[in-house]
Amino acid sequence: DVKVTQSSRYLVKRTGEKVFLECVQDMDHENMFWYRQDPGLGLRLIYFSYDVKMKEKGDIPEGYSVSREKKERFSLILESASTNQTSMYLCAIGGRAGAKNIQYFGAGTRLSVL
Amino acid sequence: DQQVKQNSPSLSVQEGRISILNCDYTNSMFDYFLWYKKYPAEGPTFLISISSIKDKNEDGRFTVFLNKSAKHLSLHIVPSQPGDSAVYFCAASVINDMRFGAGTRLTVKP
Repeated sequence: DVKVTQSSRYLVKRTGEKVFLECVQDMDHENMFWYRQDPGLGLRLIYFSYDVKMKEKGDIPEGYSVSREKKERFSLILESASTNQTSMYLCAIGGRAGAKNIQYFGAGTRLSVL
Repeated sequence: DQQVKQNSPSLSVQEGRISILNCDYTNSMFDYFLWYKKYPAEGPTFLISISSIKDKNEDGRFTVFLNKSAKHLSLHIVPSQPGDSAVYFCAASVINDMRFGAGTRLTVKP
């Protein structure tokens, strides 16, 4: 079974705090992704990484940064949390493998910024 | 711009009947399509997928249909069960770019 572990299920932070969301995989997969899910908007890609120390911006990178120092770990950083970053954050691994393209998700972190 | 659209935010069906969830896309370059199921406070779980070279894929009670000329994807669940109640996301991809719809909340009533 694919295992994608997000370190926290629920987080409450204050405006202006620096926030770290951690994601760990046990599948030795090159590709890792961070999404946020908001009602009526579906899942939107924040950043993805296709290798250690490599990263690419997704559709909504503003206010976020990422770190991938080891293959199994991909961190999302909110440099200065704001209330509009209250959301469900989802980490995924996977991507294109031949004709297939499947991503597998962690359980998610529900972040509230007060 | 939303390249993948699920126009029905919610759907309610009776247990044992068929559930049909619909999805439309705009980018003709998409070559792989997926459905995910999501329970509250959990991450999306991969359900079923289809390549653009096929028009149907079946897995147990779940069947996905692809109509490329209409740029339309649908998921059929037969028979529907109360445990199927969840939010369903469709997704479309090309290379490593994956786009998701806004989701449809399915409620299956006993």
